[in-house]
Amino acid sequence: GAVVSQHPSRVICKSGTSVKIECRSLDFQATTMFWYRQFPKKSLMLMATSNEGSKATYEQGVEKDKFLINHASLTLSTLTVTSAHPEDSSFYICSARGQEKIYNSPLHFGNGTRLTVT
Amino acid sequence: DAKTTQPPSMDCAEGRAANLPCNHSTISGNEYVYWYRQIHSQGPQYIIHGLKNNETNEMASLIITEDRKSSTLILPHATLRDTAVYYCIVRGRANFGNEKLTFGTGTRLTIIP
Repeated sequence: GAVVSQHPSRVICKSGTSVKIECRSLDFQATTMFWYRQFPKKSLMLMATSNEGSKATYEQGVEKDKFLINHASLTLSTLTVTSAHPEDSSFYICSARGQEKIYNSPLHFGNGTRLTVT
Repeated sequence: DAKTTQPPSMDCAEGRAANLPCNHSTISGNEYVYWYRQIHSQGPQYIIHGLKNNETNEMASLIITEDRKSSTLILPHATLRDTAVYYCIVRGRANFGNEKLTFGTGTRLTIIP
């Protein structure tokens, strides 16, 4: 159980275009989802936290107008990288939790999306 | 969140037990210790978590010291597929409502054939 699916796994886009990444909870209702990015040989950095039906909370230094997050349902959150630039090339990973005990339940992660902006 | 300290890298022979240490000396009483691992180009995989008692599941054992300032993740019979970066994370109510996972640099575990 507790499967999180991320799509696409890889995407290549041209500078100036926008890319949408989907994160789905397959067998549970995700009240909260988290979006991370990871550069090569670096650790995961939290970008934002989204709760279903409300606006996302962004970490300091993350541009909310560039990284649009939508969490319109209990099973789907999307991250849209707008007007992508080569420096946005990274590994983007989502995680989700259900409605169970917050701190005593693990977060489940998707398998990530490798974005390459040319 | 409490900060954790892990060795940057470790080697372990295949078939032996891998013992990965983690220091979390500033952990609060209501913070849990979580372990995740990340195999190259994949999302993190949950391994185990605990509050103060030792825990065991099908993947690993977690030993937490009595003062909770450190813990050890034990992979009892390491295989080549256990080669990954292992993250020790503390998570809880230290910051009210802060349920997020904050990743450190982790330990790169290499299993040697």
